[in-house]
Amino acid sequence: SAVISQKPSRDICQRGTSLTIQCQVDSQVTMMFWYRQQPGQSLTLIATANQGSEATYESGFVIDKFPISRPNLTFSTLTVSNMSPEDSSIYLCSVVVAGGPSKTQYFGPGTRLLVL
Amino acid sequence: RKEVEQDPGPFNVPEGATVAFNCTYSNSASQSFFWYRQDCRKEPKLLMSVYSSGNEDGRFTAQLNRASQYISLLIRDSKLSDSATYLCVVNGGGGQNFVFGPGTRLSVLP
Repeated sequence: SAVISQKPSRDICQRGTSLTIQCQVDSQVTMMFWYRQQPGQSLTLIATANQGSEATYESGFVIDKFPISRPNLTFSTLTVSNMSPEDSSIYLCSVVVAGGPSKTQYFGPGTRLLVL
Repeated sequence: RKEVEQDPGPFNVPEGATVAFNCTYSNSASQSFFWYRQDCRKEPKLLMSVYSSGNEDGRFTAQLNRASQYISLLIRDSKLSDSATYLCVVNGGGGQNFVFGPGTRLSVLP
């Protein structure tokens, strides 16, 4: 398994500002992801955070809006840039750990963001 | 068609009832299947993996039907604490991307 922590746990921000969310894992993992979960919705994958190279973004998400860093195998950051109220959401860091016959995905506690 | 589909519910059942959820997936090459549980304002947590032969963990039974491309979750003798959203998750063949269904809300009533 993996233990994941995120900072901050929640924040209220003004539109037009940026927020950087940190994700720390207690072990080295290859696969690390950032998800968004809007109120009442399921999870949407934003991007895969690749160690040592640029993140891989899903359709509808771009690097200018959601820059991601992955300096090592235990840490990543996601920045939500030039925020608008539509960015109000829960942002979740996730890792995939291989074990036994399949891989398993674990989630951090999430960062609850409210943009005014 | 969405990659993973679930009945959003809500399913409102009395304590002690048996309830079943189904989930369908569109990618026939999918290899791994999971049920996650998400409590209100919390992150998803793995409930159980779903194996081809089906598997049981206490009151929970998961089954996979590859021919019809669906997985199921059965909860017996439901408890108040089972109230949550249950997410069906599918990992595509060879890929690292886990696709989440929209979730099924369960409310167990006293």
